[in-house]
Amino acid sequence: DIVVTQSPLFLPVTPGEPASISCRSSQSLLHANGYTYLDWYLQKPGQSPQLLIYLGSNRTSGVPDRISGSGSGTDFTLRISRVEAEDVGTYYCMQARQSPYSFGQGTKVEMK
Amino acid sequence: DVQVVQSGAEVRKPGESLRISCQGSGYNFRKDYIVWVRQMPGKGLEWMGLILPGSSDIRYRPSFQGQVIFSADASINTAYLQWASLKASDTAKYYCARLISGHDPVKVKFYYSGLDVWGQGTTVTVSS
Repeated sequence: DIVVTQSPLFLPVTPGEPASISCRSSQSLLHANGYTYLDWYLQKPGQSPQLLIYLGSNRTSGVPDRISGSGSGTDFTLRISRVEAEDVGTYYCMQARQSPYSFGQGTKVEMK
Repeated sequence: DVQVVQSGAEVRKPGESLRISCQGSGYNFRKDYIVWVRQMPGKGLEWMGLILPGSSDIRYRPSFQGQVIFSADASINTAYLQWASLKASDTAKYYCARLISGHDPVKVKFYYSGLDVWGQGTTVTVSS
């Protein structure tokens, strides 16, 4: 099975400042079809998770462009260029390269 | 609007059976996967498996194989997660989500858009 590891697990942030979260997989997430199967999700307090980024760097509809995903192979990063209050919650990366799919442990983002 | 709506909270005793549901609307229910995700109290997300309604494509995370059953009735756009004999350790919130992933053999093109629509979650409490 592919293991996905996030860091840090806790991230205090300052409004207006940048923030980033790392996600590493135990195997390459690049498929022979050219797609890299890595998603990012945000679970705000008391809510269901929501999709932010799919295939490593594609923002889903409604996600602001201050949130971006990058990376390839086994190393990926989620970046927030300027943190806002609405960004608090727990961020998860998920690999969909191979079944069983798997989530990272989650990174809890809180305001300082 | 595309949405998936889950059944309400359940309380059961150990050893009892249970089936919870996830109803899709606003899209072709047969065409997209339904993924099940467990979140135990205070913990992270666990991918349990998926089902493509109306097909035989069902995949379980090995740790859930034999512990739960995924099924679907595509005629009523509903997927189900069921247990034959609950344990206290099944206490959790269970989410279903739509997964867009597949291959168009005509256009010779793969498509994937992640778990783009999530249900509100069903809380299952198992206690004697």
